[in-house]
Amino acid sequence: EPEVTQTPSHQVTQMGQEVILRCVPISNHLYFYWYRQILGQKVEFLVSFYNNEISEKSEIFDDQFSVERPDGSNFTLKIRSTKLEDSAMYFCASIALVGQGKAKNIQYFGAGTRLSVL
Amino acid sequence: DAKTTQPPSMDCAEGRAANLPCNHSTISGNEYVYWYRQIHSQGPQYIIHGLKNNETNEMASLIITEDRKSSTLILPHATLRDTAVYYCIVCSGGGADGLTFGKGTHLIIQP
Repeated sequence: EPEVTQTPSHQVTQMGQEVILRCVPISNHLYFYWYRQILGQKVEFLVSFYNNEISEKSEIFDDQFSVERPDGSNFTLKIRSTKLEDSAMYFCASIALVGQGKAKNIQYFGAGTRLSVL
Repeated sequence: DAKTTQPPSMDCAEGRAANLPCNHSTISGNEYVYWYRQIHSQGPQYIIHGLKNNETNEMASLIITEDRKSSTLILPHATLRDTAVYYCIVCSGGGADGLTFGKGTHLIIQP
């Protein structure tokens, strides 16, 4: 069964450093998403991405965050200057069909990357 | 904030049906009801979704009331591996929409 894959599973970084979290969405999917979950808290939407552009973003997704689809398979989240409060699980998700029968629009999530900022 | 209300926790005996309720009284006509679950800190796992008709798949059944203001997720024969946090989410299903997760229901399956 196709799945969303994320690497690395755990990333440790020093405060102020840049990190790039990587995701490979399911191959025929068109929309891509990033979410985060701080330990013990809710899963929070960060950003959606379609046709090489950001579609929607939350208040959390400020100027220190950026997303990119550098090639035909990868989807990345960059945090420019990490803060302690960026420590969280980061989940990537993707969706297959848009506007062609919303009944089929299901977001599939990866296993996540645990980011630890020291 | 999440547009759904769920009990914070529930217990169910192994082998019995687990019925998880969700209230979504402000649901719009074009919004679907989605159910996901999260085991420990793993990625949310899709279970089922529906618009107004009841739905069934290999994992669960979804019962939506006629006025669409509430729904129930049914796991017909719960196993220990079904212990997880279950999220009821309303969403139009459009691609740009991020899912709004609440705190969900922590379902504990008792042996």
